Amino acid sequence: GNSVTQMEGPVTLSEEAFLTINCTYTATGYPSLFWYVQYPGEGLQLLLKATKADDKGSNKGFEATYRKETTSFHLEKGSVQVSDSAVYFCALSDGSGTYKYIFGTGTRLKVLA
Amino acid sequence: DAGITQSPRHKVTETGTPVTLRCHQTENHRYMYWYRQDPGHGLRLIHYSYGVKDTDKGEVSDGYSVSRSKTEDFLLTLESATSSQTSVYFCAISDSGSPGANVLTFGAGSRLTVL
Repeated sequence: GNSVTQMEGPVTLSEEAFLTINCTYTATGYPSLFWYVQYPGEGLQLLLKATKADDKGSNKGFEATYRKETTSFHLEKGSVQVSDSAVYFCALSDGSGTYKYIFGTGTRLKVLA
Repeated sequence: DAGITQSPRHKVTETGTPVTLRCHQTENHRYMYWYRQDPGHGLRLIHYSYGVKDTDKGEVSDGYSVSRSKTEDFLLTLESATSSQTSVYFCAISDSGSPGANVLTFGAGSRLTVL
């Protein structure tokens, strides 16, 4: 079945450090891939998405590239800020039904000033 | 969150009692979902709806039922709450079933504690 695996946290970085959060997936067909972010006390919100191989999603300085050959969608940011502290979820939607949205377990990021 | 509200936001209840969580949207979106969030599990789909009175089960539907009598409201009911249903529950909406456009908008969550 479809699945999403992301690196376990927490990830602790100093402000202005480079961020990578790894995400790999297993899916049949051609899924769309997403990163959602959850700030403390809030629901998840879309950070970025990519709908086909080699697409790059980007938003707020975050980027992720849909790599079909390595089945990966790693999240990167060149210089993190304290305000980026949150939980990040990788997810896929495989297109076989409206409910087929699979989330990873989430990675908590803490950025220190 | 704008356009989607959940109630109650916090609830403590006893084992065996019924509980209903409400999700209300003002976006007129067709699709509505209930997820639960637990440490180490991420988000897991409980039930979803693809229209008024059209619902189906997700991966963890046992012990839960849903109803959608109006476009804007999606109710999640625990007929007899158990301690294993202690969790944070999120409602989400979307206006498209196609995978690329199927962006979910989430409510702020309802924290349920079953003693």
